[in-house]
This record gives sequence, structure tokens and C-alpha cells, in this order.
Amino acid sequence: GAGVSQSPSNKVTEKGKDVELRCDPISGHTALYWYRQRLGQGLEFLIYFQGNSAPDKSGLPSDRFSAERTGESVSTLTIQRTQQEDSAVYLCASSPWDRVAGNTIYFGEGSWLTVV
Amino acid sequence: AQRVTQPEKLLSVFKGAPVELKCNYSYSGSPELFWYVQYSRQRLQLLLRHISRESIKGFTADLNKGETSFHLKKPFAQEEDSAMYYCALRYSGGSNYKLTFGKGTLLTVNP
Repeated sequence: GAGVSQSPSNKVTEKGKDVELRCDPISGHTALYWYRQRLGQGLEFLIYFQGNSAPDKSGLPSDRFSAERTGESVSTLTIQRTQQEDSAVYLCASSPWDRVAGNTIYFGEGSWLTVV
Repeated sequence: AQRVTQPEKLLSVFKGAPVELKCNYSYSGSPELFWYVQYSRQRLQLLLRHISRESIKGFTADLNKGETSFHLKKPFAQEEDSAMYYCALRYSGGSNYKLTFGKGTLLTVNP
């Protein structure tokens, strides 16, 4: 596709349920990022994938959060036993990776998660 | 560790007035700096980056390494500039290209 695609665009789930959020990066982009944006807050880094390197998971807020990426394509962010504080927009982004400075990062439209 | 600070959560100006959105960073290496913008109901998008030294939609930003700042400026604000603006920092070398964002500044341009 032409841009980063995320699904679902909106998800309402009950507290305690598990949710999976999907991201399709731009074809050929080796770097993939997940961010969280709570209402009225800035962007919070969650996890970063770069090619076959070990992912940078330093931003995951708890062990209820995990993410996987299949090769250099689709990524899935999983939140187990959701809590109300998990309600946020989850943004995925991708970029090409090379050692030339200034690679642009392209964002998806986000998945709006509401935990009730 | 790198950090980006945007001291103003909200900024309100009148149409035609100059606007400056502040961004300060802390990073021990040589940074790459960006401004991203999110208009209402649209996805986050790149506005400009310091290495390009470009002016986009009338906005400019100069990297000041002495003051560790990358303030975004526009001499005459327009109503369509109303949006959320994020300053972002990234390593310029190594294998980790994680982008670190500030908390954002909501700019409102009043008629």
C-alpha cells in the first residue's frame, strides 16, 4: 500500500480481555516503531524493530504488552488483560533504514483502543 | 539518554502574528532533529528536519547546538497552522534509530 496501515482503526474492549493491534508498514521499510498516545498526552515510545536485530523493548510499560514482527513486514502489538489505563491511540510508524541521516518516519492513522 | 522538552503545552496566537514553538534537547552525541505536525483528524506527519534546512509552509527551525535548541518559527501565523506540533530527536549514528518525541505543543491560531 501507499502508507502505513493499521487495524483495527477503533477497538472497544472489556477490561481484562486481550487485544491485538496490527500494523502493515510501507513495503521495503526495515524499521518499525510502536508508540502510544494517551488523550492529552505526548507520544510514548513502546518498541522498535530494525531488520533482524533484537527489538528495542525499553518502552513497553509492563509485561502485559508484547509485540512481534514477521521478517520485515507485519507487526502485531498484543495487550493482555487490558486495563482502563491502556485506553489510548496506538501509533505504528515505519522508515527505511540506511546510514544516511534524515530518514523520514511515516506514521499510520493509529488504532484507537478504549477499555471499558 | 536523549530527552526532548517542549515547555509549552498550549500556545495561542492571533492570525498574522509571529509564532515560536520551543524545543530543547539533551543528547551527548550529534543529533538529528525533526518537527512533526498533527492536524485535526489527520495522521502525524513530518513537517521539517534540521539537515534539510528547508522552509515548509512558512515554518523554519534552526539547530542551535550551543543552546541545545531547535525552535520552530513562523513570521505570520495562519489559522490553518492550528495543530499539535511535536519536536523529535534521533541518534545520527549507530544502529539504533529510535525517535524520541517531546510531549507536544498545541498551537491555536485565532482569527
